[in-house]
Amino acid sequence: DIVMTQSPLSLTVTPGEPASISCRSSQSLLHRNRQNYLDWYLQKPGQSPLLLIYLGSTRASGVPERFSGSGSGTDFTLKINRVEAEDVGIYYCMQALQTPATFGQGTKLEIK
Amino acid sequence: QVQLVESGGGVVQPGRSLRLSCVASGFPFSSYVMHWVRQAPGKGLEWVALIWHDGGHKEYADSVKGRFTISRDNSKNTLNLEMSSLRVEDTAVYYCARGNYDSVGYYHFNWGQGTLVAVSS
Repeated sequence: DIVMTQSPLSLTVTPGEPASISCRSSQSLLHRNRQNYLDWYLQKPGQSPLLLIYLGSTRASGVPERFSGSGSGTDFTLKINRVEAEDVGIYYCMQALQTPATFGQGTKLEIK
Repeated sequence: QVQLVESGGGVVQPGRSLRLSCVASGFPFSSYVMHWVRQAPGKGLEWVALIWHDGGHKEYADSVKGRFTISRDNSKNTLNLEMSSLRVEDTAVYYCARGNYDSVGYYHFNWGQGTLVAVSS
């Protein structure tokens, strides 16, 4: 199985400041079709996960522009360029290039 | 708008069975791969199973293989998960999710609100 490792596991950010979460995979998620099969999800308190970014860098419909995804192969980053109070929750990366689909441990974002 | 509504969760004794359902709306259900993903209390996400759009291919996590069966009824826009020989460690919120598939990999999951399964004596 592909192992997904996120860092940090927790993050406290002042509103208006940037935030960055790293996700590393034990095998490359880049296929020869040039797509990276890496998604980012946000699970707000008491809610189900919500898609933020898919295929490494494509923002999902309705997701604010302050969220961006980058990286390729085994190293990926989710960036929030100006954190807002509504961004609190747990962020997960997920790969489904291979089954079983696997998730990172989650990164908990709190507001200072 | 994609809507996925799970049902069927509850408290069940170890060794017993339970059937979860997920009713989909807002998209052409018969065109999409569907997944079950679970989350134990206070824990992270664990993929459980998938079924192709026509039911012709199914895959399972090792932790549930041989005990859980995924199925779908495209005439009723419904996804099912038949769970048998339940264990305490199967206790979790179970989410159904719609996924994209491009013949290479799966991505772009849209999630339901989840249904809680508690396995306890």
